[in-house]
Amino acid sequence: GAVVSQHPSWVICKSGTSVKIECRSLDFQATTMFWYRQFPKQSLMLMATSNEGSKATYEQGVEKDKFLINHASLTLSTLTVTSAHPEDSSFYICSAQDRAETQYFGPGTRLLVL
Amino acid sequence: AQTVTQSQPEMSVQEAETVTLSCTYDTSESDYYLFWYKQPPSRQMILVIRQEAYKQQNATENRFSVNFQKAAKSFSLKISDSQLGDAAMYFCAYRIVGAGSYQLTFGKGTKLSVIP
Repeated sequence: GAVVSQHPSWVICKSGTSVKIECRSLDFQATTMFWYRQFPKQSLMLMATSNEGSKATYEQGVEKDKFLINHASLTLSTLTVTSAHPEDSSFYICSAQDRAETQYFGPGTRLLVL
Repeated sequence: AQTVTQSQPEMSVQEAETVTLSCTYDTSESDYYLFWYKQPPSRQMILVIRQEAYKQQNATENRFSVNFQKAAKSFSLKISDSQLGDAAMYFCAYRIVGAGSYQLTFGKGTKLSVIP
């Protein structure tokens, strides 16, 4: 149990385009999901907290207009990187929190912006 | 603010041997969760073990066990009979107890190598 999927696993896009990443909890409902960014050889950096049916809460320094988060159902949250630039290239990871307040992580999405 | 410290950036262990990864944390809360997550080269974060602070008994999961010392704010992970598949980054994490969107606070990680 407690499986979280993330799609796509790899994406390459041109500068200026938008990219959508999906995060799904497959076998449990998650009222809260989290989006992280991870730079090479570093720990996870929380970008935003996504609550079902309400606006996401962004961490300081994260542009909410650039990283759009939607949590439309108890099993799906999406992160859209708008007008992507090369500096947005990174590894993005989502997690979903179960009723026991434990976070389970998706496999991550590698984004490369050319 | 809560902080999590992993003082060992890298460690190595011989296959079949035992290794202990250290983690200390700072908090003024009395009730919280502590976690160890494993991140292998695939970069998938995997929950290894979870401890609730109000429980005095140390959590165990097969070859993985913790030594939770609440007064010392210490939460070490012991891996017994190490296997090649245990090679990964290990992150210690802390979370306040409570419904809602409390975030995880992570340590910087310990890279574990397993020597055949």
